Amino acid sequence: DVKVTQSSRYLVKRTGEKVFLECVQDMDHENMFWYRQDPGLGLRLIYFSYDVKMKEKGDIPEGYSVSREKKERFSLILESASTNQTSMYLCASSFAAGPRTDTQYFGPGTRLTVL
Amino acid sequence: RKEVEQDPGPFNVPEGATVAFNCTYSNSASQSFFWYRQDCRKEPKLLMSVYSSGNEDGRFTAQLNRASQYISLLIRDSKLSDSATYLCVVNRLPRVRFGAGTRLTVKP
Repeated sequence: DVKVTQSSRYLVKRTGEKVFLECVQDMDHENMFWYRQDPGLGLRLIYFSYDVKMKEKGDIPEGYSVSREKKERFSLILESASTNQTSMYLCASSFAAGPRTDTQYFGPGTRLTVL
Repeated sequence: RKEVEQDPGPFNVPEGATVAFNCTYSNSASQSFFWYRQDCRKEPKLLMSVYSSGNEDGRFTAQLNRASQYISLLIRDSKLSDSATYLCVVNRLPRVRFGAGTRLTVKP
C-alpha cells in the first residue's frame, strides 16, 4: 500500500516566519507534487518534481520554493509566510512510467494558518 | 475561464437515487482523465480513470466525450457512504488540473 506522509497535520505560524513542510513517500515514485487547496478554487499546483534535484513551477509558485535532495522526500518552503498562504497543503506522488503513471497518491494534508 | 469546471453543487439526494456529475475542460490536448473522491477533512483518493469507451466499476460509470470536452460520473443506487466531494482531474502532462469539486450528500 502506497504511503505518503506529511510532517504535520496542523501548523500555526506568524507572518514573516520561514516555514518548512515535509513530505515523504515510500513507493519509490519519481514524481512528487505540492498543491494547495482552498474553498471554491480546488487544488492548485505549486511545484512538482520529476526526479531528484529536479523541479518545475506549477501554476502558483510565487512565495514558495521546494527542495528534493532525496527521491523519497519533497519539501515545500515558505520563505516569509504571509496571511494569504493560510491554506490546506497537500503533497502527492506518482510513478513516471508504466500503466499507472497518472494516478496520484496524496498525503493527509497540512492545514497551515499564518497569523 | 477555468481550465476545468465542475458544478459545485451541493447535490442532496435520497438513498437509492441515481446522480450524475459533469465536468468540462477547455484544453483539447488533454491526455488523461480521472475522478477522485475526497471525504471531509481527508485527502483526495482515486475513484476511477475515465476512457472514451466508458468504464464501469460497480455502481459507478465514467464517460469521456472528447468532441464536447466533458467527462461524466454516474452513481447508481446511492449509498450514505457515497457522501463526499467528487473531483474531476484532467492531465496534460506535466500539468495536472483539478476541478473545484462537486459535493454530494446522500440522505436516508
